[in-house]
Amino acid sequence: EDKVVQSPLSLVVHEGDTVTLNCSYEVTNFRSLLWYKQEKKAPTFLFMLTSSGIEKKSGRLSSILDKKELFSILNITATQTGDSAVYLCAVEGRDSGAGSYQLTFGKGTKLSVIP
Amino acid sequence: GAVVSQHPSRVICKSGTSVKIECRSLDFQATTMFWYRQFPKQSLMLMATSNEGSKATYEQGVEKDKFLINHASLTLSTLTVTSAHPEDSSFYICSASPSGSRETQYFGPGTRLLVL
Repeated sequence: EDKVVQSPLSLVVHEGDTVTLNCSYEVTNFRSLLWYKQEKKAPTFLFMLTSSGIEKKSGRLSSILDKKELFSILNITATQTGDSAVYLCAVEGRDSGAGSYQLTFGKGTKLSVIP
Repeated sequence: GAVVSQHPSRVICKSGTSVKIECRSLDFQATTMFWYRQFPKQSLMLMATSNEGSKATYEQGVEKDKFLINHASLTLSTLTVTSAHPEDSSFYICSASPSGSRETQYFGPGTRLLVL
């Protein structure tokens, strides 16, 4: 059974701090790892990672994947109150006998940034 | 661009009735639409993947006869919760992809279902 574990489950930081969110996974026939930001309603896409060691950046956010150690990190520098959200990690994998890829989400990390 | 709408945004129904939720891609054609369910304070759970004109692919543990999915056009997919029960109360979110890939997946605003 595919598994995605995020840590920490929740985190409180002050504005300006840098945070690192972790996502480890066990999945059959890995295809990609995705990060999402969820505020009040539906999540918004942040990154998709397929190759090890290649950092993806978008403003103050960056992410990298380690396929050997089976984990990814999401970094947020100079945090702002608007970064407060639940950050979800999801992994695409496929059982050997199945025809389609499945997406498994972690439980999320709730980030609270206080002024 | 890339707007996905869901209707209704909130619905309350009696146990035993059926509820239909619509997911529309407003400014692009979606070859693939995904349906998710989210319980309070929990993560998203993918329920099914639907491709236009073909049967939906359901995830393990999701009853296809209870959660009927129809993707009749490139801009519309519907999820019907048949004979709803209180345990079906949840937040249902759809997403649409113009290419079928997870990366270009645009989420709808979600539908809050409460079954009394």
